[in-house]
Amino acid sequence: AQKVTQAQTEISVVEKEDVTLDCVYETRDTTYYLFWYKQPPSGELVFLIRRNSFDEQNEISGRYSWNFQKSTSSFNFTITASQVVDSAVYFCALSGGNAGNNRKLIWGLGTSLAVNP
Amino acid sequence: EAQVTQNPRYLITVTGKKLTVTCSQNMNHEYMSWYRQDPGLGLRQIYYSMNVEVTDKGDVPEGYKVSRKEKRNFPLILESPSPNQTSLYFCASSWDRKGTGELFFGEGSRLTVL
Repeated sequence: AQKVTQAQTEISVVEKEDVTLDCVYETRDTTYYLFWYKQPPSGELVFLIRRNSFDEQNEISGRYSWNFQKSTSSFNFTITASQVVDSAVYFCALSGGNAGNNRKLIWGLGTSLAVNP
Repeated sequence: EAQVTQNPRYLITVTGKKLTVTCSQNMNHEYMSWYRQDPGLGLRQIYYSMNVEVTDKGDVPEGYKVSRKEKRNFPLILESPSPNQTSLYFCASSWDRKGTGELFFGEGSRLTVL
């Protein structure tokens, strides 16, 4: 069975602090895809990143960076110099590549990040 | 502008009164899906479709129906709504027909069933 665990339910930081959101996944598929989505207070779901299981390179996009480690089945998300606008719920998700495990995402329960001024 | 449009955004209804939540995308995506989001339960897939006239059940399909007569539209039908279907609903589409690609979401439809 596939599973995504986001152990941190809520995180509160002060603006300009760095913060890391943890994501641990379980799958037996050799090919799979990992995602992060953001849900700001306005409620919409916004795609942040997609990473396939064969690409373990870390990725940086502005203040956002992602650390993918197959050895620990983790796909952590770091926000550097956090800002109030980063306040949102962040979801990690997994899609298996094998037939039967693709066609849908397995979602973590999300981490609610509050960035205080 | 590329978008997924859901209607209505907010709806209060009563038990048993049939309703339809519409979803339309303008990106020519083959894959479309419906999710519901509930506190403590996260996002759960209701139905998905990989192409016109092809639909399949997700994790929580009971009490819902869908249709995919046209590529752009994927309505969610609640034939006889019940209070346990009170939820926030999201429609999504993707360029990847297997559903392993980036999902584009609608703004959500908040449904209350009394």
